[in-house]
Amino acid sequence: VLRQSPDTLSLSPGESATLSCRASQSVPSRYLAWYQQKPGQAPRLLIYGASSRATGIPDRFSGSGSGTDFILTIRTLQPEDVAMYYCQQFGSSPDFGQGTSLEIK
Amino acid sequence: EVQLVQSGAEVKKPGESVKISCQVSGYTFTNYWIGWVRQMPGKGLEWMGFFYPGDSDARYSPSFQGQITMSADKSINSAYLQWSSLKASDSAMYYCARFMTTFQYFDYWGQGTLVTVSS
Repeated sequence: VLRQSPDTLSLSPGESATLSCRASQSVPSRYLAWYQQKPGQAPRLLIYGASSRATGIPDRFSGSGSGTDFILTIRTLQPEDVAMYYCQQFGSSPDFGQGTSLEIK
Repeated sequence: EVQLVQSGAEVKKPGESVKISCQVSGYTFTNYWIGWVRQMPGKGLEWMGFFYPGDSDARYSPSFQGQITMSADKSINSAYLQWSSLKASDSAMYYCARFMTTFQYFDYWGQGTLVTVSS
């Protein structure tokens, strides 16, 4: 089970966002991914292997962590970063966190 | 360019059947698993199952086993998700996505198919 925090994050443009994903059991880092889902759109892969950016993802997005605690950091927030962010791990099957909603003030 | 294009929205009555599709292009269809993900209104993402078009291997989430059937037609590079008897609780957005087994993630997603079940 993956638990993301906070449920909602409200920040100003230019600030940095720190999103947390905590697993109930240790997860191999190579099996931890992050997705962005903008309103009305399909999810988009941001990070795989805990820290590798997907093709075309700006370096403002970075992932880190190991074991049970993983972090998605978004630097220099922009209005277009408004979205739900989900972490996903693979144990015996894929499992998604409940999501963090990022709002820009 | 990898693309997954899903069929259009469906409106059905309880007890009816439906089959939605996901047509892929830009890669060898038979070499990758396709996953299906449900998103109920205002809710998060739930994995439903995987299908491997190369040998028609299907893996279902226990939560959806017996409720859905996954399949594919290799001749037209299309994957399918079907229900034989819909319930109102099946109303949701359904996404197909290519699954990368090396690092166990979904790298390309379809645009989603909205299924509405209402009497």
